[in-house]
Amino acid sequence: AQSVAQPEDQVNVAEGNPLTVKCTYSVSGNPYLFWYVQYPNRGLQFLLKYITGDNLVKGSYGFEAEFNKSQTSFHLKKPSALVSDSALYFCAVRDTSYGNNRLAFGKGNQVVVIP
Amino acid sequence: NAGVMQNPRHLVRRRGQEARLRCSPMKGHSHVYWYRQLPEEGLKFMVYLQKENIIDESGMPKERFSAEFPKEGPSILRIQQVVRGDSAAYFCASSPPGNRGFSEQYFGPGTRLTVT
Repeated sequence: AQSVAQPEDQVNVAEGNPLTVKCTYSVSGNPYLFWYVQYPNRGLQFLLKYITGDNLVKGSYGFEAEFNKSQTSFHLKKPSALVSDSALYFCAVRDTSYGNNRLAFGKGNQVVVIP
Repeated sequence: NAGVMQNPRHLVRRRGQEARLRCSPMKGHSHVYWYRQLPEEGLKFMVYLQKENIIDESGMPKERFSAEFPKEGPSILRIQQVVRGDSAAYFCASSPPGNRGFSEQYFGPGTRLTVT
């Protein structure tokens, strides 16, 4: 089955500093990769996706992600973190092993932006 | 354009009761997915439905759980004879028609089920 791994439990960053949330993937075939953010007691909000094309993908709220095929990674980045970016971030991959569009999620990373 | 709607937002059931969770997809979306989020865990796929069809239910427990997406009305996730281990947040997501794997899924706010 396809899968993603988010190796860190929590990411702490000072406001104004660059933010990176790591994700590595394991797929057979071409990966369709997604990032979502979840605020407390809310649903997931779509941030960005990689399907094909440019390795640097730009998304909502100033976030971007870099697809690296050789390292099988899809790290989420933001040049300057805001306190309001504190949330739970999920990386996901389309799980093509089942022949449909179901997503396989990582366990999530809690991001804490320190004022 | 309203997003994915789920109700109720919070549901408390005693052990042995039934829980019914409802999901209305975004307008124009015909694919519905249900995921479960246990505390301190990521989301786990449960079931994928299109109108009047269950496409993939391989993530759903074999007993007590069922799902439907009728021609008219919302998708329903039904849990019979709930147990404490069913306490979780249940999220519904929808995506546009066509089997396009590159379409992102849009999530509802979730139903938080507590079994006492």
